[in-house]
Amino acid sequence: EPEVTQTPSHQVTQMGQEVILRCVPISNHLYFYWYRQILGQKVEFLVSFYNNEISEKSEIFDDQFSVERPDGSNFTLKIRSTKLEDSAMYFCASAASAGGYYNEQFFGPGTRLTVL
Amino acid sequence: AQSVSQHNHHVILSEAASLELGCNYSYGGTVNLFWYVQYPGQHLQLLLKYFSGDPLVKGIKGFEAEFIKSKFSFNLRKPSVQWSDTAEYFCAVNPSGGGADGLTFGKGTHLIIQP
Repeated sequence: EPEVTQTPSHQVTQMGQEVILRCVPISNHLYFYWYRQILGQKVEFLVSFYNNEISEKSEIFDDQFSVERPDGSNFTLKIRSTKLEDSAMYFCASAASAGGYYNEQFFGPGTRLTVL
Repeated sequence: AQSVSQHNHHVILSEAASLELGCNYSYGGTVNLFWYVQYPGQHLQLLLKYFSGDPLVKGIKGFEAEFIKSKFSFNLRKPSVQWSDTAEYFCAVNPSGGGADGLTFGKGTHLIIQP
């Protein structure tokens, strides 16, 4: 069964460093998403991406965040200058398109980001 | 903006007990509704979804949920739980009609089933 994959599973970085989290969505999907979950808190939407551009973003997704689909298979989330409060589990998700009918979002296993 | 409330943060049941997990949402328009489950060490998986039509929806593993529009609720039910249902359960919504709208999640309910 096709699935969303994410690498790395765990990333440790120093405050102020740049990190790139990688995702490979399900191959025929067209909508891509990033979410995060700070330990003990709810899963929060960050951004959605369709047709090579951002469709929607939350207020969490500020200028330090960016997303890219560099090669038609990978979908990346970049955090330019990490802060302690960026420590969280980051989930990638993808969904197919069906002529405007909303489809299920399939989630990856997550990348645990720890900022020291 | 929409919001989701899950009232039970931790639930402990014995096997064969009946389950009902509460979910209420707040949003001014029509919504799509979802329940996701996360088993220990695994991905978020969709249990069931409601878009339109019959407000009683059936999902995988014997779960069902009922959309009550007047109460803005989408409670998850299972008549007889099993030990393997131990997991974190998340209710989520997004506005109807869009293909790329992000999901708004509740805080989750940690369900423990005792053998």
